[in-house]
Order: sequence, then C-alpha cells, then structure tokens
Amino acid sequence: QSALTQPASVSGSPGQSITISCTGTSSDIGGFDYVSWYQQHPGKAPKVIIHDVNDRPSGVSNRFSGSKSGNTASLTISGLQAEDEANYYCISYTSGDTLLFGTGTKVTVL
Amino acid sequence: QVQLQETGPGLAKSSETLSLTCIVSGGSVSTGLQYWSWIRQPPGKGLEWIGYIYYSGSTKYNPSLKSRATISQDKSKNQFSLNLRYVTAADTAVYFCARMTDSFHYDYWGQGKLVTVST
Repeated sequence: QSALTQPASVSGSPGQSITISCTGTSSDIGGFDYVSWYQQHPGKAPKVIIHDVNDRPSGVSNRFSGSKSGNTASLTISGLQAEDEANYYCISYTSGDTLLFGTGTKVTVL
Repeated sequence: QVQLQETGPGLAKSSETLSLTCIVSGGSVSTGLQYWSWIRQPPGKGLEWIGYIYYSGSTKYNPSLKSRATISQDKSKNQFSLNLRYVTAADTAVYFCARMTDSFHYDYWGQGKLVTVST
C-alpha cells in the first residue's frame, strides 16, 4: 500500500489561512469517514487535531478544521500563528482493515 | 488519563530481532473498542504504521513489513510488545506505541523510543 499523498511543504504569514491536502483512493479516504490529522513538533509525539474527517478533540483550537471530497481530505488552519509551525500528517483507515499514513507536510509560518 | 511508555534496548544488531514493550497505565489492554498500536519514524522522515493488536488478540500489520513484525500482549502486566525480525539499517527509527480508538484515530501516544540498528 502506498502512502497518502500530501504536499511536502506549505507556508503562510501570520493571520492567513492555509490548506493541506491528503490524497488517497476509494479504498481508503474515499471509502470511509475515518480520516484523522496530527500535528508533530520536532522531537515530540504526534498530537491528534482532527478525527472522523472534521471532528476536533476537546482542547484543540477551532482554527483547525477538516473536510473531505471524494478521495481527498483537507486540513485548513485559519488565523495562522507561529505555534502552528510543525509537521502535519493525515491518516486513513483502509478497506484492508489497516491504517495508511500521509507523507507529511511541513508548515512554515513566514 | 491513559499513559504509554516504550521500553527496550536502544540498539539492535543487523539481521537480529528488535524487541520493544509498551507499558500502559490509566487504561487496560483487556478492554474492547480500542486498538494498541506501533508506529515508527526514521530520523528526519515521516510516520509509518507498523500494526495493531485488539484485546481479543487479533492483529493487523503493514504489508510492507513482509511478515517481519509480530505484536503480542500480556494482559496480566497490562502491556503489549513488538518484535521485528531480520532488521537492517532501514529499521533505525523512533518507535512509538499508541492507542487507537474505535473510529481509527490515535488519541494517546508514548514519548517514543529511538532504536538504532548497527551494521
């Protein structure tokens, strides 16, 4: 199984909005609403920020939102802040009852 | 609050078996609706899913590991383990254990354990 495709990097200025895409197939993203997104700062464990396509865990800023269309899921960060600079990964459940991770996106706040 | 802690050697020899254990507190590996998983991250690279074990003992693995991985559980000690056979330098990574919910997302993670495979 090939990894889900994400852009290697996305950048934006403070206050702007950015969107990260995550592209898969009908056997993963397109087939299930089990897409989650994680934020990882250097040297730290990943932290879930979106699950079930567009649900935010308690305590996660409402500046983070998720969506899905067909085989592509998206994470939008609005009102970009310096603390949002990190790596972001998507994960999807698959028809093989396995999990598939995205290639990862480095977000830079200019 | 569920807490996970990876334990085991930080060094493994090429062609031998890498073994790690995840100690769970604040939660139980004997309870359903959650899956206990291993994930790894080579230095400077992205995350890779290794596999999971359910409380019933059923397991699923990343096909790319070509059957080298085995995940087991010890309910009496509330922990689960990873064995990765025939390791090479490409298996050098930070290994995370994590809990996956019944909607297939990871809500609790260990801090990670760096394992280096020596050639």
